[in-house]
Amino acid sequence: EPEVTQTPSHQVTQMGQEVILRCVPISNHLYFYWYRQILGQKVEFLVSFYNNEISEKSEIFDDQFSVERPDGSNFTLKIRSTKLEDSAMYFCASTFLQGSNYGYTFGSGTRLTVV
Amino acid sequence: SQQGEEDPQALSIQEGENATMNCSYKTSINNLQWYRQNSGRGLVHLILIRSNEREKHSGRLRVTLDTSKKSSSLLITASRAADTASYFCATAPEGGAQKLVFGQGTRLTINP
Repeated sequence: EPEVTQTPSHQVTQMGQEVILRCVPISNHLYFYWYRQILGQKVEFLVSFYNNEISEKSEIFDDQFSVERPDGSNFTLKIRSTKLEDSAMYFCASTFLQGSNYGYTFGSGTRLTVV
Repeated sequence: SQQGEEDPQALSIQEGENATMNCSYKTSINNLQWYRQNSGRGLVHLILIRSNEREKHSGRLRVTLDTSKKSSSLLITASRAADTASYFCATAPEGGAQKLVFGQGTRLTINP
């Protein structure tokens, strides 16, 4: 069964550093997402991406964050100048058609720890 | 309460028993989805029910949706130890909005 692949699985970074989280969505999916889950809390929407541009973003997704699809397969989340409160599990997801009643396929996540 | 609130927050039952989890939401939806998350792992899509559907089955899973009450339930029949996980409902808002809105989740423990 096709999978969404995320790398790395764990990332430890110093406060103030930049990190790039990587995702390879399912190849024929058209919509891509990033979500995060702070330990013990809800899964929160960060951003959606379609046709090579951001289609929606949450209040969390401020100028510190950016997304990119640099080639036909990778989808990245960049966090600049990381803060302690950015520590969370970050999930990439993709779906074939938005609002089409398809479920989303989530990756296994990247656990980001900012120290 | 916020969109996508599950109850109970934690449920512990014996293997073989049925487990029922509930979810309430506030806004109009396109569909409602249930996901499972094993400890520290990714989210696994279990089942999706459309706003015009009332009940759906998939193996040992049964989902109901009551749009008049803005609520859904997930029933797992004949539970197994491997069903131990957190279960989340997530709503896809009506109107083409992009994001899924997740609830806080129900932590289900199946005791052997």
